[in-house]
Amino acid sequence: DAGVIQSPRHEVTEMGQEVTLRCKPISGHNSLFWYRQTMMRGLELLIYFNNNVPIDDSGMPEDRFSAKMPNASFSTLKIQPSEPRDSAVYFCASSRDSLGANVLTFGAGSRLTVL
Amino acid sequence: QQQVKQSPQSLIVQKGGISIINCAYENTAFDYFPWYQQFPGKGPALLIAIRPDVSEKKEGRFTISFNKSAKQFSLHIMDSQPGDSATYFCAATSDSNYQLIWGAGTKLIIKP
Repeated sequence: DAGVIQSPRHEVTEMGQEVTLRCKPISGHNSLFWYRQTMMRGLELLIYFNNNVPIDDSGMPEDRFSAKMPNASFSTLKIQPSEPRDSAVYFCASSRDSLGANVLTFGAGSRLTVL
Repeated sequence: QQQVKQSPQSLIVQKGGISIINCAYENTAFDYFPWYQQFPGKGPALLIAIRPDVSEKKEGRFTISFNKSAKQFSLHIMDSQPGDSATYFCAATSDSNYQLIWGAGTKLIIKP
């Protein structure tokens, strides 16, 4: 298995532009997580999907952020409009199980810079 | 009560030495404690994990020590190598929860 695949790896954009980050989870994994990582705040859970359904989006910073999972093999995280404070590394992770001792497999991340 | 406190923030150890990273938690409902390792430009990856029914778990040079009464757990890296240089995160969760509660991370540098 190729692991969790994220694209783009790097994105530089200007304030106000729309940003779309993409994730392909591991086949057979039924849970998908979007995280944001910054030096100041560490790893923050943005949203959690189980069987393609959003279960918890309480970590999404504001209405500018949205996430979708149209099928078991694809998810997107969209920021519109983007702001400089959105600059961070965004990780997608998937797991076979949904609760407890489930092993998260992370993608390599998408580094976003908003100028 | 949901926090996991991790220390130190950064650590420099000589090659061959022992690296020790500590974590503390408050929520007694936590019953699964993993450690993740992250190299620059990569996502975190599971390194080793422990349940509170044992006081120690060892995998190769990596050992988790767990003190249930003190609500503390630590990662020990024996014979530390330059390839161990990475950021280490402790975390905690319970069997009824999907969300990992993460520590702030420790940047470990092993000097040759």
